[in-house]
Amino acid sequence: AQSVSQHNHHVILSEAASLELGCNYSYGGTVNLFWYVQYPGQHLQLLLKYFSGDPLVKGIKGFEAEFIKSKFSFNLRKPSVQWSDTAEYFCAVNARNDYKLSFGAGTTVTVRA
Amino acid sequence: GAVVSQHPSRVICKSGTSVKIECRSLDFQATTMFWYRQFPKKSLMLMATSNEGSKATYEQGVEKDKFLINHASLTLSTLTVTSAHPEDSSFYICSALELDRGSYEQYFGPGTRLTVT
Repeated sequence: AQSVSQHNHHVILSEAASLELGCNYSYGGTVNLFWYVQYPGQHLQLLLKYFSGDPLVKGIKGFEAEFIKSKFSFNLRKPSVQWSDTAEYFCAVNARNDYKLSFGAGTTVTVRA
Repeated sequence: GAVVSQHPSRVICKSGTSVKIECRSLDFQATTMFWYRQFPKKSLMLMATSNEGSKATYEQGVEKDKFLINHASLTLSTLTVTSAHPEDSSFYICSALELDRGSYEQYFGPGTRLTVT
């Protein structure tokens, strides 16, 4: 089974600061990788996903993530955050031939105006 | 994107009673849906995979007789918490799997807050 580790529990930053959230997974086989966001009071939404190809993936709202296979990592980045990026961020992974997702514990991001 | 709804959004029930939660894919058909449980400040924990027309598959440690899942149509899955107890109080989230030309995406419902008194 896969496991996902998100290093940061709570990140607080100011508007226009850069954001990077760490995500590492453990699994011996090929995986698909996802980042989801949950805004306060809302449902989970997909930010971006990696299945194959270019390891640098661009998602919605200016987010991107880079898959580094040798490090089993899929870190999420945004060069300049906005107050509206305040949310819970979840990294998730599944095995290539299985739709079931394993989620990380989540990172709470608070952006101060 | 596709929309998944859940009903009810909140429910309070007495200990020992059963409660049913519905999950609907509104604009696509989903042969597979998933049920998760989310604890406060915690991640989503997959409870079971709901398969249209067949039995659900449960994750290790999830009691299938307590959490009954029915996926009677391509747009509806239900989770029934039977003989609920206070420890079953939680936020239950469903997702529906949309398959599209070799790719796929899980769309999540808004969740149901269950409180057992």
